[in-house]
Parts: sequence; structure tokens; C-alpha cells
Amino acid sequence: GAVVSQHPSWVICKSGTSVKIECRSLDFQATTMFWYRQFPKQSLMLMATSNEGSKATYEQGVEKDKFLINHASLTLSTLTVTSAHPEDSSFYICSASGDRGLYTEAFFGQGTRLTVV
Amino acid sequence: GESVGLHLPTLSVQEGDNSIINCAYSNSASDYFIWYKQESGKGPQFIIDIRSNMDKRQGQRVTVLLNKTVKHLSLQIAATQPGDSAVYFCAENSGGYQKVTFGIGTKLQVIP
Repeated sequence: GAVVSQHPSWVICKSGTSVKIECRSLDFQATTMFWYRQFPKQSLMLMATSNEGSKATYEQGVEKDKFLINHASLTLSTLTVTSAHPEDSSFYICSASGDRGLYTEAFFGQGTRLTVV
Repeated sequence: GESVGLHLPTLSVQEGDNSIINCAYSNSASDYFIWYKQESGKGPQFIIDIRSNMDKRQGQRVTVLLNKTVKHLSLQIAATQPGDSAVYFCAENSGGYQKVTFGIGTKLQVIP
């Protein structure tokens, strides 16, 4: 299967600072990437859909000015958590899909554990 | 819709037994379903998928059953092994687009 890599795997930052998380598709071109957030013992909740070269589409209730998404190339999407607060501490996961036809699964990164102190 | 903040249900099975994990989906327009396995601290890993024009699909040691009438999906794992211990999520999407909605998830604990 295709490989999606996230960096960093974990990060600790101070409240009020910004953190950037990268999501890379290593062996295919990802026309679409998705960003999810997962709190402990809960399911993955979709935050936004990122299309290469265009603005991201955010799910209801997700602040686009707080969670900045950039998808500048077919292999890289970034999520920046701006002015992070402790309640933003979570597991952030990206997935990527390429032009591989309909009804194919998206491939997930290994996730990034963000802790805001 | 989004998954709410519920704690994950847990299924405990004896090693070697078969496991059945159930999932109810909400969108009758969903036409593609996937089961994912998530180990602690890792991203979801694809297990098996099924399209809505099928009611059963088999993989290696896993079988997915789909009942569209009652919007129910199940994952059967044969001869469950300790390495199968993880959280299992069903996911649905519609229109052949890879945007998926995840179910609540079930934690599978395998007792040696």
C-alpha cells in the first residue's frame, strides 16, 4: 500500500505558540488530503479536506483561522495550529488519496501527538 | 454525522476464538465501507473494505458483512491472536470519494 508520513510524531509546545505538522505522501501524488483529530478513547473526527492548490474545506465547528492548512504540492500538506492552548492537545492524523479511481481507501499517516503546556 | 465523545466499547475474547465486531452506520447514501485497525499511538491501518453492491467480502482471517436494510456492518476475525488487540473502526463514505466518516470504534482485547 501507499505510504503517508507525518512529522513530527509528537510535539510539546507552550500555550500561545504555533505548531506546524507535515503530512507527506511518499510514493504517490495526493490530490486530496484529510486532517483528523482524535481525543483519547474517542473516534477520529474530520477537521478539514485539503485539495492541492486550493483552499481547504473545513468541517462545521472547526476554526479555519486557528487550524491553517496548506496543500502547496501533490505530496505535502501542512496543518498549523495557531496560538495553541491546552484544549488543542490531541492526536492529529492525516490521510491522503490520489487519483487511483473510485472506491479506494485513503492511506493514513502515523499521527502526531500534540501536547500544549 | 460526527462521532460523539463516548468511551470506546470493549470486546474481550480468548486467543484462538473468533471475534465479531459490529458497527451501525448512519448514512443510507453511503456506498463504500472500510474497516480500520488502530493500535495505540498509531494511525489507522486498512483491514478490508466492501462496496454497497456486496453483502460479504472475505480477506485473510477477516470477513466483512454488510446489511444495508438495517445499516449494519460487522467484522469477523477468525482465530483471534494477541496481535489483533487494537481499536477497530468502521468507516463509511458516499460517492466514491475518499472522505470517510468514522464510527465510534470498538476496543478488542485478546486474552492469552
